[in-house]
Amino acid sequence: AQKVTQAQTEISVVEKEDVTLDCVYETRDTTYYLFWYKQPPSGELVFLIRRNSFDEQNEISGRYSWNFQKSTSSFNFTITASQVVDSAVYFCALSEILDMRFGAGTRLTVKP
Amino acid sequence: DTGVSQDPRHKITKRGQNVTFRCDPISEHNRLYWYRQTLGQGPEFLTYFQNEAQLEKSRLLSDRFSAERPKGSFSTLEIQRTEQGDSAMYLCASSLVGTGEIRETQYFGPGTRLLVL
Repeated sequence: AQKVTQAQTEISVVEKEDVTLDCVYETRDTTYYLFWYKQPPSGELVFLIRRNSFDEQNEISGRYSWNFQKSTSSFNFTITASQVVDSAVYFCALSEILDMRFGAGTRLTVKP
Repeated sequence: DTGVSQDPRHKITKRGQNVTFRCDPISEHNRLYWYRQTLGQGPEFLTYFQNEAQLEKSRLLSDRFSAERPKGSFSTLEIQRTEQGDSAMYLCASSLVGTGEIRETQYFGPGTRLLVL
């Protein structure tokens, strides 16, 4: 069975603070993909990143960065210098051959 | 706009009625997925199509639910004899997957919010 755990239900920060969203996954497969999606108040899920299980290289995209560590089965997401527009629910997801499972999400609120 | 579209965006119905939702994927995408999302939870997989073939159905998809993708383009999700527990956001996603690949990146539509009274 696969499982995605986002232990942080809600996080609140002040603008310009850095924030890390945690994601821990469980899988028996050696081949899988990990994703992060953003769901702003409008409701539409927005794709942020996809990593495959063979690529542990960390990735940076502007203020966003991702830390993939197979040893701890974690795929954490960091927003540097957060902005009010970053306020949303963020979902981590795991995809194997059979289906895609999402975590419960972390609601991030960035206050001005 | 070339993204995934869903219609209607909102639907209010009475218990026992049938409802049908439509999803139009990104035009060149061969896979189409349906998910259900309840308040405070992540999306839950319901079913997916590769072209017109329905390849997988979740155990969440009871006999009252049926999905079709007759021409490998748009898809419909029908719920018969709706129950209050069916109230949720129904999300559609599409992706482009080549031979031998496991699931590629899925792009989501805006969802259809269903309220069963």
